[in-house]
Order: sequence, then C-alpha cells, then structure tokens
Amino acid sequence: KNQVEQSPQSLIILEGKNCTLQCNYTVSPFSNLRWYKQDTGRGPVSLTIMTFSENTKSNGRYTATLDADTKQSSLHITASQLSDSASYICVVSAVDRGSTLGRLYFGRGTQLTVWP
Amino acid sequence: NAGVTQTPKFRVLKTGQSMTLLCAQDMNHEYMYWYRQDPGMGLRLIHYSVGEGTTAKGEVPDGYNVSRLKKQNFLLGLESAAPSQTSVYFCASSETGGVYNEQFFGPGTRLTVL
Repeated sequence: KNQVEQSPQSLIILEGKNCTLQCNYTVSPFSNLRWYKQDTGRGPVSLTIMTFSENTKSNGRYTATLDADTKQSSLHITASQLSDSASYICVVSAVDRGSTLGRLYFGRGTQLTVWP
Repeated sequence: NAGVTQTPKFRVLKTGQSMTLLCAQDMNHEYMYWYRQDPGMGLRLIHYSVGEGTTAKGEVPDGYNVSRLKKQNFLLGLESAAPSQTSVYFCASSETGGVYNEQFFGPGTRLTVL
C-alpha cells in the first residue's frame, strides 16, 4: 500500500535551535519527493523537490535529504525563526500509468511551533 | 499576479443545503485540482481537470461535482451538504500534470456543515 508517514506529529522548539523532521514512504514507482510548508490558514507552498538521484537539496535554512534505498527523507531547519512555525508536509509523487497525471501521496504533516 | 484565489474563505451550511466553491488562477495553468484537508489526515484529491471543459474523479469524489467552463476557473459544488463534508477545501493548479510539476495552492475555504 502506498503510504507516507511523517514524524513527529508535532514539535516545539526554541527560536534559534535546529530541528529535523522525518518522512518515510512506501510509494512505488517513486518519482520525486517534495516538502511543503503550510502556514496556519494558508495553502501549502513548496520548499524543495528531490528526485531519485538527489541526496541533498537546500533552500536557505531548509535542507532536505533523501535516501531512496531506505525510502526515507528528512527536512532539517537551521537556526529556527518564529516564522518557521507551520505544518510541514511531505508529498511523494508516483508515476500513475492509469491516468493522465502523476499521483501524489500526502503525509499528515508535522506541526512545528517555534517559541521565542 | 494573484496566483490561486478561492471564494468564499469561510462558510457554514445546514445539512441538505447546496453551495459552490470558486477557484481562480491567473497563471494560465492547464491542470486544476480540488482537495480536502481533514484533521490528522493528509490532503485528499476530490476532482481534477486537465484542461478547459474536462473533469475527472480523484480519490474521494462522492458528494461533489465540478465544472471547468473557463481555463482560469474551477468550481466545486456540493448539491446536498452532509456533516461529513465539514473540512478545509484547497484548490491547486499546475502548468501540466507531469510528476515534476509543482502544484500551487490557494488559501483554502473552511466549510462547516451543521
């Protein structure tokens, strides 16, 4: 069964600290993995996209890693800021041969709260 | 460039009432999508459209209808609302349906069905 599991479900850290969010998936055939940031009351916004051959990708203070062998990804946030408080959603894309578009599998998200 | 916009932002319905959610995008994207987001669950695809005049069912289409009469607009209709349809609804669009294409999301519509 194609699934995307994220951990932890929620996380509280102090401003300036680092944190790492985890994503494990069983989606096949794997195409790519995106991390989205969803601020409260807003729609998700893409942070990074990683394909099978990519191990690491950075976007400012956000660094995503991918291990396609173990089907795990992580999102590391460095020097957290109050504005990092949001839900972070892991989305895995699969090639859907039965339709005209790729199939997306969404994780439930990790709710990150940064305290001053 | 407003991106993806949704109206209304909030709505409360009584069971059995009908309503239409409007999504508009100004990026000239071919593909548009409707998702619902429930507490503790990932986004689930309701319906999608691969171009003007086309629609297709997603993962959870029952109880919803859609129309794409204009390329920039994608409407989601609830003919007879049920409490199980209480959710946050997100519209998204993408340039194509390819797996590498980023979907751009609207701000969401919070719907409560009493």
